[in-house]
Amino acid sequence: EAGVAQSPRYKIIEKRQSVAFWCNPISGHATLYWYQQILGQGPKLLIQFQNNGVVDDSQLPKDRFSAERLKGVDSTLKIQPAKLEDSAVYLCASSLDINEKLFFGSGTQLSVL
Amino acid sequence: DQQVKQNSPSLSVQEGRISILNCDYTNSMFDYFLWYKKYPAEGPTFLISISSIKDKNEDGRFTVFLNKSAKHLSLHIVPSQPGDSAVYFCAAKGGSNYKLTFGKGTLLTVNP
Repeated sequence: EAGVAQSPRYKIIEKRQSVAFWCNPISGHATLYWYQQILGQGPKLLIQFQNNGVVDDSQLPKDRFSAERLKGVDSTLKIQPAKLEDSAVYLCASSLDINEKLFFGSGTQLSVL
Repeated sequence: DQQVKQNSPSLSVQEGRISILNCDYTNSMFDYFLWYKKYPAEGPTFLISISSIKDKNEDGRFTVFLNKSAKHLSLHIVPSQPGDSAVYFCAAKGGSNYKLTFGKGTLLTVNP
């Protein structure tokens, strides 16, 4: 079974630039999550999708972050404009349904200079 | 406000001995707890979980203990192996909110 795919693996940008991350969840998984993991911290949920719809985006900085999940499959997370404090690993995860076990991708490591 | 706390950033044990990783939580609504393991440059992978209706769950070398009155759980690894060296995250969820809240993680190093 293929796992959660994310790209790119690494990204270096300057502050105020924009960046986008892509995630392809495990086939058939209805729920998709984006987490932000800052060095030395645990993963923090940014947004959760159930199929096409947003379940929870309470911790998403909506003035600069946006995410979409077209057709209930792939998802993209965008940051525009990036700030220094956005430097982190961005993890995508998926689960069969809400309240089921999460499977994580390898993440995208973002460095904002 | 950190609702899940892992107060030990790191732990070092000898191969073959027991590793004990601790986790405390503050939210009394949490009723389901999980441990995730993370190797460098990889995403976290699920290790073991426990529901609040139980006080122990075992899976091979891994056992999780839950003390609800103390709002404390621990992960025991016996015997520890060098391949267990990784960051271990404690996570919790509960009530009507399915969102997982993670601790900061504990880096376990198992020395040969």
